[in-house]
Amino acid sequence: DAKTTQPPSMDCAEGRAANLPCNHSTISGNEYVYWYRQIHSQGPQYIIHGLKNNETNEMASLIITEDRKSSTLILPHATLRDTAVYYCIVRNTHPNYGGSQGNLIFGKGTKLSVKP
Amino acid sequence: ETGVTQSPTHLIKTRGQQVTLRCSSQSGHNTVSWYQQALGQGPQFIFQYYREEENGRGNFPPRFSGLQFPNYSSELNVNALELDDSALYLCASSLGGSRVNTEAFFGQGTRLTVV
Repeated sequence: DAKTTQPPSMDCAEGRAANLPCNHSTISGNEYVYWYRQIHSQGPQYIIHGLKNNETNEMASLIITEDRKSSTLILPHATLRDTAVYYCIVRNTHPNYGGSQGNLIFGKGTKLSVKP
Repeated sequence: ETGVTQSPTHLIKTRGQQVTLRCSSQSGHNTVSWYQQALGQGPQFIFQYYREEENGRGNFPPRFSGLQFPNYSSELNVNALELDDSALYLCASSLGGSRVNTEAFFGQGTRLTVV
């Protein structure tokens, strides 16, 4: 089962900031928070990830609370092309995976609709 | 564009048949993961290959099998197809090794329909 909880849907006006929340209250100390999005019928697209510090890249910002039990993905100026399902994922790094990463456990995500 | 390519893009098979899906990973990536995404659901992890060895498996039966080749491309094979195998099959490549927490890049998927 996914280790995160997200609202099923959100609306945002074009040009405004979209703030997508995620709860991950059982996150352990060495687990990262990843965000992906999936535009209809395409493969998921990596957005950003972080451990405990806030992160920013050209797509978005990730704000992680001090206790690491929740985070918020911020799209600073949402456009119609940002309409997608957004997945918040806590990375499952199984120790037997050796030199590679654990799998991504997707929940149902948040369907973000950006409206004109 | 992620540099991860999957083929074919669409496929229709009959129940009981076998299917092979292919994935070319991004240049420099040595890890490939496969996911199944049913309509309206998030992707579900099938298995992962790292340097040609299976390196983790989700809750899928043995009729789902895979291979990774020396160039790190990969195949997903499904035997004895069932109607419920109809889904979007996604391949993701990433760089394993010392850099444990790196991102995975997904292909556009193969839409499999079993009739």
